Amino acid sequence: DAKTTQPPSMDCAEGRAANLPCNHSTISGNEYVYWYRQIHSQGPQYIIHGLKNNETNEMASLIITEDRKSSTLILPHATLRDTAVYYCIVGSNTGKLIFGQGTTLQVKP
Amino acid sequence: KAGVTQTPRYLIKTRGQQVTLSCSPISGHRSVSWYQQTPGQGLQFLFEYFSETQRNKGNFPGRFSGRQFSNSRSEMNVSTLELGDSALYLCASSLQGGPNYGYTFGSGTRLTVV
Repeated sequence: DAKTTQPPSMDCAEGRAANLPCNHSTISGNEYVYWYRQIHSQGPQYIIHGLKNNETNEMASLIITEDRKSSTLILPHATLRDTAVYYCIVGSNTGKLIFGQGTTLQVKP
Repeated sequence: KAGVTQTPRYLIKTRGQQVTLSCSPISGHRSVSWYQQTPGQGLQFLFEYFSETQRNKGNFPGRFSGRQFSNSRSEMNVSTLELGDSALYLCASSLQGGPNYGYTFGSGTRLTVV
């Protein structure tokens, strides 16, 4: 079973920041937090991952709470092309990713 | 650079037949994982190969098998196809497959069993 809890759906206005939350209260010390997204009918796309520190790349920022029990994926300026299902995954073995149901993000004009 | 290539993109098979799907990882990537995606069960892990060895396995029946070749290309085989095997099969590759790496997914093979 997935070890994360995400809201099933969220809306965001185009151009605004999209903040996607994820709860992972049972995360263990050596487990990373990974985010992927899947646009309809395509394979999942890797976004970002982190262990303890906040991370930023060209796509997004990942904010992990100090106790590591939750995290937030931030898309700083959402566009219509960011409409997708976003998956938060925790694990220590990326060879075996356990996907949950994810959050369907709808970016609206 | 070329991404993860899966062939064929679409496939229609008859119940009871077997099927082989192919995955060519990104050049230099040594870890290949396979996933099944269905509307009811979502994305489910099948197995992972690293340097020609199966390193992880999901909870699928023995009809699902795979292998990896010395050039890291991977195949998965499903024997005695059932209607419930209709799904999008996704392959993903990673440089090492360790915890500090992300995976790149292919576009998948959509299998329909009739």
